[in-house]
Amino acid sequence: ILNVEQSPQSLHVQEGDSTNFTCSFPSSNFYALHWYRWETAKSPEALFVMTLNGDEKKKGRISATLNTKEGYSYLYIKGSQPEDSATYLCAFHPGSTDKLIFGTGTRLQVFP
Amino acid sequence: KAGVTQTPRYLIKTRGQQVTLSCSPISGHRSVSWYQQTPGQGLQFLFEYFSETQRNKGNFPGRFSGRQFSNSRSEMNVSTLELGDSALYLCASHRDRYNEQFFGPGTRLTVL
Repeated sequence: ILNVEQSPQSLHVQEGDSTNFTCSFPSSNFYALHWYRWETAKSPEALFVMTLNGDEKKKGRISATLNTKEGYSYLYIKGSQPEDSATYLCAFHPGSTDKLIFGTGTRLQVFP
Repeated sequence: KAGVTQTPRYLIKTRGQQVTLSCSPISGHRSVSWYQQTPGQGLQFLFEYFSETQRNKGNFPGRFSGRQFSNSRSEMNVSTLELGDSALYLCASHRDRYNEQFFGPGTRLTVL
């Protein structure tokens, strides 16, 4: 059974704080790692698709890193804003199949 | 470009009934994946269709089935509904197996 773990489960930060969370996935049979943001009452929205060990991706104040050898990815948010409040999901794409295996997410709340 | 659409958005059924959910992908996307989300669980993969063929299947009982039409629209069917089938059902379309997925708004199914 392929397991994808995300930590922490939830996070409350003040506006302006920087924050980061972790996604752990199997280190073998890796093809890609996806990050999605899911705001309440909306659809999940893709942030990044990462495929190479050592990959770093950035979109505005959000960035992500990838370590496929040890099986983890970090998502960083610099200077959190209330509009960053959402659940952040990672999904592991193994090389042997096209199923995405999602973690249960990190729920971020940013207080003004 | 129109996004992924799902119908209906909400559905209430009783145990033993069957239900059909519909998903229209983004124009040009030939892959459609279906997911189930229940409280406390991550997105659980149901199945993936590409060019009218089921390419991958998750670990769900045979009561869950799907199909894809020549215009890439997809339907999923759940027969003999159980209380535990109450969930948010999301579909996602993607250009091919390696790309980010674009999610629809979901169908919230309640089984009484």
